[in-house]
Amino acid sequence: EAQVTQNPRYLITVTGKKLTVTCSQNMNHEYMSWYRQDPGLGLRQIYYSMNVEVTDKGDVPEGYKVSRKEKRNFPLILESPSPNQTSLYFCASSLSRDPNSPLHFGNGTRLTVT
Amino acid sequence: AQTVTQSQPEMSVQEAETVTLSCTYDTSESDYYLFWYKQPPSRQMILVIRQEAYKQQNATENRFSVNFQKAAKSFSLKISDSQLGDAAMYFCAYWGLYNFNKFYFGSGTKLNVKP
Repeated sequence: EAQVTQNPRYLITVTGKKLTVTCSQNMNHEYMSWYRQDPGLGLRQIYYSMNVEVTDKGDVPEGYKVSRKEKRNFPLILESPSPNQTSLYFCASSLSRDPNSPLHFGNGTRLTVT
Repeated sequence: AQTVTQSQPEMSVQEAETVTLSCTYDTSESDYYLFWYKQPPSRQMILVIRQEAYKQQNATENRFSVNFQKAAKSFSLKISDSQLGDAAMYFCAYWGLYNFNKFYFGSGTKLNVKP
């Protein structure tokens, strides 16, 4: 089954404790991206990647890191989480440069930073 | 940067009735795509419908249709014969072909369906 797999689904952590949210897709998609969803703000892009070893900032990259060492994986790293990073996070993928390829989303990770 | 505006934070509709969700966007591009995504309580993001800007004909998918007004930069979603399963958050999204790295999302409209 074609899918984007995110883990964990829920995560509670404390300020400053490094964490990683994993994202993996099995569709051989070049394009992958991370979004955060906050009430009243919709989804905002954090980082995206056009292919292996090619990543770039989205609209709200501060406090986040990503890596793309393999085509299927695109982890989101919070080196020193803060309470303002409490949010719902989504990973998504699609075929690059193909407007007929819609974004495929993971099931989201609810992160709480205390 | 492009912006997408959904001015209705929440709406309600009676089961079997029709409801229209509004979306406006701002862009200087001529080629782009517009989408409506549905997010039920399960949090899954589900593509509902897609519209290519170069097509004048409004997209339709079963009970879902859009009213695309390119000059007015308006992209509303009409849901006919509303069902309880339509209750969800709906997001309007924009994807420009010249900056295909980014999807721009609106703030969402929560749709309640009353039995």
